[in-house]
Amino acid sequence: DTAVSQTPKYLVTQMGNDKSIKCEQNLGHDTMYWYKQDSKKFLKIMFSYNNKELIINETVPNRFSPKSPDKAHLNLHINSLELGDSAVYFCASSQPKTGVETQYFGPGTRLLVL
Amino acid sequence: KQEVTQIPAALSVPEGENLVLNCSFTDSAIYNLQWFRQDPGKGLTSLLLIQSSQREQTSGRLNASLDKSSGRSTLYIAASQPGDSATYLCAVKETSGSRLTFGEGTQLTVNP
Repeated sequence: DTAVSQTPKYLVTQMGNDKSIKCEQNLGHDTMYWYKQDSKKFLKIMFSYNNKELIINETVPNRFSPKSPDKAHLNLHINSLELGDSAVYFCASSQPKTGVETQYFGPGTRLLVL
Repeated sequence: KQEVTQIPAALSVPEGENLVLNCSFTDSAIYNLQWFRQDPGKGLTSLLLIQSSQREQTSGRLNASLDKSSGRSTLYIAASQPGDSATYLCAVKETSGSRLTFGEGTQLTVNP
């Protein structure tokens, strides 16, 4: 059973298009995250949701809009895609205030904007 | 602002060698520190998590230590194997429920 899953795994699209990436976790966690890993492999937080509420919103263009329909899902919609959006996007989840809070990551979505 | 640095950026060792990966962070007020492994083209696998009150954690051939006051953690890998070849990432969490701040990783190659 996959703990954190993302779809699609690969996404190749033209500049200017709008696309969505979906994330689901079956761990019962309250907090979910989106991270971006750039071409230099550096991972950086984009957004965090706790119980469907936005709690972290880093300096990310407003073309990126996260949506959490329920606690188990956090989707990422990107409008007007640009070349610089090409990266690997990772979803993650954790359970706060457990004293452990291991963060579990999805397999990543490799986005290539042409 | 928390910054995490990992040294070295890349490391190549012969099979069987014991090795140490280093991680340092600028703000010692952390909640926990997590070591991950990332294989090429894959996601992140959690290896060890050390709570701020702990000094070390062990899992098999891996041992991670934490010295919060000096802002340092080390990941010790005993008797390295070619299957250990991957990028190892260190990340700190500052408060419960907050983001992870990652280092840039150490790319490890273990040669048969």
